[in-house]
Amino acid sequence: DAKTTQPPSMDCAEGRAANLPCNHSTISGNEYVYWYRQIHSQGPQYIIHGLKNNETNEMASLIITEDRKSSTLILPHATLRDTAVYYCIVLIYNFNKFYFGSGTKLNVKP
Amino acid sequence: DADVTQTPRNRITKTGKRIMLECSQTKGHDRMYWYRQDPGLGLRLIYYSFDVKDINKGEISDGYSVSRQAQAKFSLSLESAIPNQTALYFCATQMGDKSDTQYFGPGTRLTVL
Repeated sequence: DAKTTQPPSMDCAEGRAANLPCNHSTISGNEYVYWYRQIHSQGPQYIIHGLKNNETNEMASLIITEDRKSSTLILPHATLRDTAVYYCIVLIYNFNKFYFGSGTKLNVKP
Repeated sequence: DADVTQTPRNRITKTGKRIMLECSQTKGHDRMYWYRQDPGLGLRLIYYSFDVKDINKGEISDGYSVSRQAQAKFSLSLESAIPNQTALYFCATQMGDKSDTQYFGPGTRLTVL
């Protein structure tokens, strides 16, 4: 079962930061938080993952609360091409079974 | 990701027909996965394989079978297709112990009439 809760949809203005929240209140100490996105019906694309420290890469930043019960994916300057469904997934390291919930549909508007 | 390819990309078939979906990868990854996605829903795991000799059922394996012909090839079969198997099917690969990141193919859209 999916162990995360995400809002079904969000809007963001082009050029502004998009902040996508995820609740994972039952997360265990050895579970990672992963973010993927799916543009239209293409294959899901890896964005970022983390355990407890904040992470940043060329695509996004991941902020994990100190109690690890929630996290936020930040796209610093959203573009129209960032319109997609964003999935937050928790995963025990090396357990491999990704559980995709319904995700958040991010609509980036001009 | 062009390193993971799926064939066919689209297929329409009739109830009762046998269908095979193929997945090939050039990433050199040991682990491969098959998922299905229904409209408006997330992905659900059908089968996964950690190496050529290791095949495991996922959460919705009934009505499906798989074959891992080589490290680079993982096929999904529907022995007798039924309409509720109409879905988008994705293959994914994963390096193994050193990384959990999965890389997905472009998907196969299957319609069973």
